[in-house]
Amino acid sequence: DIQMTQSPSSLSASVGDRVTITCRASQSISSYLNWYQQKPGKAPKLLIYAASSLQSGVPSRFSGSGSGTDFTLTISSLQPEDFATYYCQQSYSTPRGVTFGPGTKVDIK
Amino acid sequence: QLQLQESGPGLVKPSETLSLTCTVSGGSISSSSYYWGWIRQPPGKGLEWIGSIYYSGSTYYNPSLKSRVTISVDTSKNQFSLKLSSVTAADTAVYYCARLVQYQLLHYYYGMDVWGQGTTVTVSS
Repeated sequence: DIQMTQSPSSLSASVGDRVTITCRASQSISSYLNWYQQKPGKAPKLLIYAASSLQSGVPSRFSGSGSGTDFTLTISSLQPEDFATYYCQQSYSTPRGVTFGPGTKVDIK
Repeated sequence: QLQLQESGPGLVKPSETLSLTCTVSGGSISSSSYYWGWIRQPPGKGLEWIGSIYYSGSTYYNPSLKSRVTISVDTSKNQFSLKLSSVTAADTAVYYCARLVQYQLLHYYYGMDVWGQGTTVTVSS
């Protein structure tokens, strides 16, 4: 099974900050990596698919990069509505298998 | 606009079977471009994939839950369902249904682009 890790597990940032979250896979998954945003009490929202493709309707301040085992989600200028928990998810084995990372909580400094 | 809605009992007794249904509206569950999935989230914890189903009935399950999970589809009702047997307190969670869409770039990629609002299931006597 493919395991996913994320770092950091949480971070504090201010509005306007550039924020970077890292995700690592236990084996190479090429570009089969998605990023989701989840706010309290809400369902996750797909932000990025295929490591770097922006989902329709998602602001351009969100970007993704990486391939193989190491991936990054970047928020170029953090906005108040971006305070949330972010999850990576490998789609290398989808639909046969889906694995999420443990999440990174972004809160207000 | 496609919408998913989970439904089912909010309280299940230990050792019994949890049963949930996801109703798809605003689109057809029988589209060849999608799989449909169940994901859960225990209180204060992360997301766990339970399994996925194609409209034809092909299923894939999380190996850690496979012995207890059954996912089925009813195309006539535009619904798919989850059954989780022999539940314990560890199965207490918010249960989400979602659509797995296939994106075609150089290769085919899947993402969960539409989610239900989630339904809370508590396992308790």
